[in-house]
Amino acid sequence: AQSVSQHNHHVILSEAASLELGCNYSYGGTVNLFWYVQYPGQHLQLLLKYFSGDPLVKGIKGFEAEFIKSKFSFNLRKPSVQWSDTAEYFCADYEAGKLIFGQGTELSVKP
Amino acid sequence: NAGVTQTPKFRILKIGQSMTLQCTQDMNHNYMYWYRQDPGMGLKLIYYSVGAGITDKGEVPNGYNVSRSTTEDFPLRLELAAPSQTSVYFCASRPENTEAFFGQGTRLTVV
Repeated sequence: AQSVSQHNHHVILSEAASLELGCNYSYGGTVNLFWYVQYPGQHLQLLLKYFSGDPLVKGIKGFEAEFIKSKFSFNLRKPSVQWSDTAEYFCADYEAGKLIFGQGTELSVKP
Repeated sequence: NAGVTQTPKFRILKIGQSMTLQCTQDMNHNYMYWYRQDPGMGLKLIYYSVGAGITDKGEVPNGYNVSRSTTEDFPLRLELAAPSQTSVYFCASRPENTEAFFGQGTRLTVV
């Protein structure tokens, strides 16, 4: 059975701190990995995606993620967070047509 | 383009009532999904469709039904509403081999 797991449920950081959110996937088929963000009261928006090629993927708003096949990981990073990054972050993977999400990580950035 | 449109945005139902959550997309996407989102639980897949006339169960299908008579529409039906169905519901669609696009969500309360 496939799954997507996110290690951190709630992360609290101060502005300018660096961020890394963990994501592991288990599906052994074609790689289709995503990070989505959900700002309070809003719907999900795509941050970045990885299908193939350069394992370091750059997304919007200064976010990036690194695909490490040997570790089945796709961790999200940002060198310096801002208060406006306060949101919930979801890792996701396709498996046989289904889009499966991790449990989500709530990020709180203190000004 | 309107993207993915969900109606209604909010609804209060009494236990045992039925209702249909509407989802329409104007991007000619084959894949469509229904999720429910509960605090701290991430997004759980209810049903999905890979094309008109084809639907399949996700992780949490009990108490729900769907149909996909056209490419554009993917309504979600609740037949006998229960308090456990209080949640925020998101519809999404995607074309082949790229990211999904989400609707604004429907907040449903069953009392």
